Amino acid sequence: AQSVTQLGSHVSVSEGALVLLRCNYSSSVPPYLFWYVQYPNQGLQLLLKYTSAATLVKGINGFEAEFKKSETSFHLTKPSAHMSDAAEYFCAVSFSNDYKLSFGAGTTVTVRA
Amino acid sequence: DADVTQTPRNRITKTGKRIMLECSQTKGHDRMYWYRQDPGLGLRLIYYSFDVKDINKGEISDGYSVSRQAQAKFSLSLESAIPNQTALYFCATSDLWGYTFGSGTRLTVV
Repeated sequence: AQSVTQLGSHVSVSEGALVLLRCNYSSSVPPYLFWYVQYPNQGLQLLLKYTSAATLVKGINGFEAEFKKSETSFHLTKPSAHMSDAAEYFCAVSFSNDYKLSFGAGTTVTVRA
Repeated sequence: DADVTQTPRNRITKTGKRIMLECSQTKGHDRMYWYRQDPGLGLRLIYYSFDVKDINKGEISDGYSVSRQAQAKFSLSLESAIPNQTALYFCATSDLWGYTFGSGTRLTVV
């Protein structure tokens, strides 16, 4: 079975502080990993994806994530939070044998001024 | 025009009513999906289709049915809506390189 776990349903950070969102996966085959962002009352927007190339993946809006096979993790970071980063973030995984996306439960980020 | 269009954007319906959510895409992809989003649960797969003749159940298909009318169209039906089907529904399409999501349909069953 394959699954995705996001640690922490809510994260609150100060503007300018580091944003760290945690994602762990379980699978028996190499995964493709994704981070999506959902702003209030909007759909999902792809932040970045890992598809077995470089383990450090850079995405939009200053976000990046590192694939660590030994830890089965794909944590999302941004060095300096901006008020506009307030949103819900989803980690997702798919596999080359079927390409269906499985999502984590999501992490809501609030940014304090 | 959006790559993936969902209609309606919002819908309130009564328990027991039949309702159809529609999705069309202009990406030219064969694969299409229906997900529902609930607070604290993320997005869960309802049905997916890898081509017009291929329909598959996802993890939460009970109470739902789908129709793939063409490569570009994939509809989700609730034959007899119930309140716990109140959710945000997303349609998506994909190729080997990524997914494109619609803007969602917010469905409320009263």
